[in-house]
Amino acid sequence: AQSVAQPEDQVNVAEGNPLTVKCTYSVSGNPYLFWYVQYPNRGLQFLLKYITGDNLVKGSYGFEAEFNKSQTSFHLKKPSALVSDSALYFCAVVGGGNKLTFGTGTQLKVEL
Amino acid sequence: NAGVTQTPKFRVLKTGQSMTLLCAQDMNHEYMYWYRQDPGMGLRLIHYSVGEGTTAKGEVPDGYNVSRLKKQNFLLGLESAAPSQTSVYFCASDDRAGELFFGEGSRLTVL
Repeated sequence: AQSVAQPEDQVNVAEGNPLTVKCTYSVSGNPYLFWYVQYPNRGLQFLLKYITGDNLVKGSYGFEAEFNKSQTSFHLKKPSALVSDSALYFCAVVGGGNKLTFGTGTQLKVEL
Repeated sequence: NAGVTQTPKFRVLKTGQSMTLLCAQDMNHEYMYWYRQDPGMGLRLIHYSVGEGTTAKGEVPDGYNVSRLKKQNFLLGLESAAPSQTSVYFCASDDRAGELFFGEGSRLTVL
């Protein structure tokens, strides 16, 4: 069965600094990987996905993610964090039956 | 364009009571899902549907039932609510694997 691990419950970063939110995965076959963001009291919103091709995927709001097959990782990155980026971020992988399996989430806090 | 709409947004139940959560989507999506979100556990799939008239069990189906009588609607039922079902429930839909559209959530408290 597929699984996703987000090793950090919370990530703190100063505004203007680069940010990284980590994700590792386990799946048989080729991975389909996703990042979602959840703002307080809202549903999740799709950020970006990796299906195949270029290992660096660009998504919404200036976010990007790097797929690394040898390390089975799909870390979310942004060159310059904003206070408005503060939210809960979920990594997810598609496995059997085309169903998404989500990680436990990482709370990102961007401070002035 | 409403997207995915969940009703009700909040509900308090007593143990043993029943209720139904309604999810409606206006994007003509084939796939619909019900998740529950609990602190430290991420989102867990309860049931899902790959088309009108179909349903299937997800990761945590016990204590829940679902129906998809119309393509745009996906109902989640609790026949006899338990405190362990206190959670935030999210409905989602998509037309291909992965890019899910989520509702705003339904917060359920079972006393």
